[in-house]
Amino acid sequence: RKEVEQDPGPFNVPEGATVAFNCTYSNSASQSFFWYRQDCRKEPKLLMSVYSSGNEDGRFTAQLNRASQYISLLIRDSKLSDSATYLCVGGFGNEKLTFGTGTRLTIIP
Amino acid sequence: DVKVTQSSRYLVKRTGEKVFLECVQDMDHENMFWYRQDPGLGLRLIYFSYDVKMKEKGDIPEGYSVSREKKERFSLILESASTNQTSMYLCASSGLAGFQETQYFGPGTRLLVL
Repeated sequence: RKEVEQDPGPFNVPEGATVAFNCTYSNSASQSFFWYRQDCRKEPKLLMSVYSSGNEDGRFTAQLNRASQYISLLIRDSKLSDSATYLCVGGFGNEKLTFGTGTRLTIIP
Repeated sequence: DVKVTQSSRYLVKRTGEKVFLECVQDMDHENMFWYRQDPGLGLRLIYFSYDVKMKEKGDIPEGYSVSREKKERFSLILESASTNQTSMYLCASSGLAGFQETQYFGPGTRLLVL
């Protein structure tokens, strides 16, 4: 079982809609989580860190559920520019970050 | 802004050639990483380094080696390139606070081994 698992999608969502995707992790000794965004043929870039209390950055909300071992990303009022692959990332108490394979999102005009 | 640069965006090599991929970061970061990214497999860690002349194996080190002679530079070496090493190679760096801090990525090198 992979340490970090995501639905690969694609999610095709109309502009203005709200979209949410989850990521599950298998190692309960997790310490930190992030969402990264990767545009087509570009490098991954940090979108936001995920805190136990949940956090919000504009239209984006990230939440962590330790009991069920998943993190989520919610995008409200989606824009065409939100089209990208979203990578779920976890740190599990060692020196490394583990990346999920990504969820592909396309916003449709 | 953190800047991570990689020596080439695209590279074509022949089987058996020795290949050097260079990565330079300008933020005085202690930690540097090399990943490869393949469709359906995501990013996989090849090697990382937490200090000059220090290196640690990642999840898929076979067929690769690394060198970190200066803090800002981390090189990935394919001793004898093979076709299964055709991939996107991404370098990243992060600061002293720990490996679980934000990693900043370079633009990537697309390597094709014929």
